[in-house]
Amino acid sequence: DIQMTQSPSTLSASVGDRVTITCRASQSISTWLAWYQQKPGKAPKLLIYKASSLESGVPSRFSGSGSGTEFTLTISSLQPDDFATYYCQQYNSYPLTFGGGTKVEI
Amino acid sequence: QVQLVQSGAEMKKPGASVKVSCKASGYTFTGYYMHWVRQAPGQGLEWMGWISPKSGGTNYAQKFQGRVTMTRDTSISTAYMDLSRLSSDDTAVYYCARAADGDKNWFDHWGQGTLVTVSS
Repeated sequence: DIQMTQSPSTLSASVGDRVTITCRASQSISTWLAWYQQKPGKAPKLLIYKASSLESGVPSRFSGSGSGTEFTLTISSLQPDDFATYYCQQYNSYPLTFGGGTKVEI
Repeated sequence: QVQLVQSGAEMKKPGASVKVSCKASGYTFTGYYMHWVRQAPGQGLEWMGWISPKSGGTNYAQKFQGRVTMTRDTSISTAYMDLSRLSSDDTAVYYCARAADGDKNWFDHWGQGTLVTVSS
């Protein structure tokens, strides 16, 4: 199975900050990576797919980059609505696997 | 608009089975694979498998092989996930999630989640 490792596990930031979350795969997954945002008690929401493609309706302050084994999710200017937990997910091979999550808190 | 509405919370005893439903609306049900993902309390996300509503074909994570069965009823646009031989480790919120672009392995819409609690 491909292991997905996110860092940091928790990130403290302020409104307006530029935030970067890293996701590393245990083997190359090309650009077969998605990012999700999850708020407490809610289902995840798709932000990014194919490593850097922005899902329709997602604010442009979110961006993704990377290929192979190292990926980043960047929020260019953190907004109050962005405090949440973020997960990466690889879909290069089965079983599909997720990172452990990064909680972005104030 | 796309909606996935799941059945309500369940409480089960160890060794029992649970069946969670996911009713789809706002799109052609048979045109999109349906995945199931679970999340234990305070933990991350774990993929369980998918079903093709069109063909009924399935692909299960090896971890759940032999214990999970995914089915669908196209007449009512509903997918089901049945998990047997439950243990306390199966206590989790179970989500259905629609495959993006029909058959891709990332998820563009999710159900609201169904909490399954396994306790004696």
